Amino acid sequence: NAGVTQTPKFQVLKTGQSMTLQCAQDMNHNSMYWYRQDPGMGLRLIYYSASEGTTDKGEVPNGYNVSRLNKREFSLRLESAAPSQTSVYFCASSEALRAPGGNQPQHFGDGTRLSIL
Amino acid sequence: SQQGEEDPQALSIQEGENATMNCSYKTSINNLQWYRQNSGRGLVHLILIRSNEREKHSGRLRVTLDTSKKSSSLLITASRAADTASYFCATGEGGSEKLVFGKGTKLTVNP
Repeated sequence: NAGVTQTPKFQVLKTGQSMTLQCAQDMNHNSMYWYRQDPGMGLRLIYYSASEGTTDKGEVPNGYNVSRLNKREFSLRLESAAPSQTSVYFCASSEALRAPGGNQPQHFGDGTRLSIL
Repeated sequence: SQQGEEDPQALSIQEGENATMNCSYKTSINNLQWYRQNSGRGLVHLILIRSNEREKHSGRLRVTLDTSKKSSSLLITASRAADTASYFCATGEGGSEKLVFGKGTKLTVNP
């Protein structure tokens, strides 16, 4: 029972390089999310996908793009990496929003630790 | 923007003691959730309390919610060294799927 799987676990890039972070979930969840976590800043939402075929910006989308490839997979792309994007990136998934219960619990992967030199 | 803010930022206690951490939020909510994050790992969902509930228990965890004060507390009873982690509260934002997380309380339980 894998849950949410993120690849790679670690990556070092040079400024200006591009890369794609991969995320896959096996829980048949509709919604998927990308966060970044920086010391003292908590988790900040980059992009999310409420359902297959839709994506929306979160709090800090600049410098990132996402693709909801299918219901299982949600990738995050850095087109031209900058040192300010050094962070730990987490992918999460959840069941769809329910009324009146509200937001459902999110299930997280173990993160990608990205350093940009 | 941060919806939930945890207090204290850091807490150090001895094994067997109780640990209490608090969360304040700004707008109306459907539910409030608490998560744990062990060092180097992703967040793990602990407990969800709905806006019409005042208290909820799960094992050694007790969560309270006061919607009039827009605050919640997480109590861990009889703490263990394995409870050492960061704890985050999270609330929904405006009827969307998004959760907004606080900055967390770092709990250290000393053996």
